Amino acid sequence: GENVEQHPSTLSVQEGDSAVIKCTYSDSASNYFPWYKQELGKRPQLIIDIRSNVGEKKDQRIAVTLNKTAKHFSLHITETQPEDSAVYFCAASRGTSYDKVIFGPGTSLSVIP
Amino acid sequence: DGGITQSPKYLFRKEGQNVTLSCEQNLNHDAMYWYRQDPGQGLRLIYYSQIVNDFQKGDIAEGYSVSREKKESFPLTVTSAQKNPTAFYLCASSIHRDVVGGYTFGSGTRLTVV
Repeated sequence: GENVEQHPSTLSVQEGDSAVIKCTYSDSASNYFPWYKQELGKRPQLIIDIRSNVGEKKDQRIAVTLNKTAKHFSLHITETQPEDSAVYFCAASRGTSYDKVIFGPGTSLSVIP
Repeated sequence: DGGITQSPKYLFRKEGQNVTLSCEQNLNHDAMYWYRQDPGQGLRLIYYSQIVNDFQKGDIAEGYSVSREKKESFPLTVTSAQKNPTAFYLCASSIHRDVVGGYTFGSGTRLTVV
């Protein structure tokens, strides 16, 4: 069945450094790729998403890149801050709410002050 | 709670009991979902519903049941057939049927078997 892999499972960076989280997906028909941030004890929240008709999307300090040929996409966080510490989930979907969204297992990011 | 409310926040279940988790949204979203979250395993889909009176099994539906009698409500029942129900349960909704724009999640229910 469809699968999304995510690496690394844990990531520690110094405040101000960049963080990169990588995901690969198996379903070649996937065309919508959201990223969620879940702070400890709270609900996941959508932070950025990308559709397959673009290769890169940026929103302030976060950016997502997509390589459809290789079936992988990445989250980049620049100038990390302690409040970026959370679990980040990538996901893939065929793009309608009729289709299941498949989540990766998550990356626990710690930003060290 | 940002338009989607889950209750209770904490729930304790005895062996052999059925329990029902509530999920209500006032976002006028068409689709609603239930996920189970276990440490290190991400989010696994239990059931989802695109429209009132219709729902589909997800990847781990065994031992669970749902109903969608109203657009706003999508309760999840954890039955005694679910052998390992201790987990964090998240309800979510999304607006469009034809184009998904990301989920809005509830704040979750932590279920513990005692």
